[in-house]
Amino acid sequence: KNEVEQSPQNLTAQEGEFITINCSYSVGISALHWLQQHPGGGIVSLFMLSSGKKKHGRLIATINIQEKHSSLHITASHPRDSAVYICAVRFGWTSGSRLTFGEGTQLTVNP
Amino acid sequence: GAVVSQHPSRVICKSGTSVKIECRSLDFQATTMFWYRQFPKQSLMLMATSNEGSKATYEQGVEKDKFLINHASLTLSTLTVTSAHPEDSSFYICSARGEPNTGELFFGEGSRLTVL
Repeated sequence: KNEVEQSPQNLTAQEGEFITINCSYSVGISALHWLQQHPGGGIVSLFMLSSGKKKHGRLIATINIQEKHSSLHITASHPRDSAVYICAVRFGWTSGSRLTFGEGTQLTVNP
Repeated sequence: GAVVSQHPSRVICKSGTSVKIECRSLDFQATTMFWYRQFPKQSLMLMATSNEGSKATYEQGVEKDKFLINHASLTLSTLTVTSAHPEDSSFYICSARGEPNTGELFFGEGSRLTVL
């Protein structure tokens, strides 16, 4: 069974702290996405990765294909980073194959 | 970046009525749109995949007669919840994919349906 596991489920941090959210998956993938779901429900795509590392502002995403693991890092966290972060994986080797979503990580950053 | 607009963001209806949710791609042609359902504290669940001009492909366990999906143009897909029941209350969200398919994901803002 193709699975995606995220950890932790819930994370509370103080403003300024460095945050790491992890995602592990079971078999080979063609792409991994990190998504941010705001309290109102809207979803924003943060990164799409197939290898290596990407950085956008204070956000960094890495993926280790051999270990089937990805991490999302937030540097200098801020209360506005409070959201649910979702890892979504495209199993298989085509861009048309379906996505499998992790359960999400609820991040709360306190001022 | 590409924008997907979903409307309405919130809707309350009575049991037995039908509700239509629209998903529009504003600045690109969405050849494929995906409809998801999300229960509180749970992950997204794919309901169906719609391709412009053809019938939607429904996931196992999703009633096609209850959740009608139409993708009549390259910029608009609609989800109609027919004869709504309280158990249909949920958060519904669409995402769209354009051509060429880069694998990028563009999501709507979501629609929260409450059936009384």
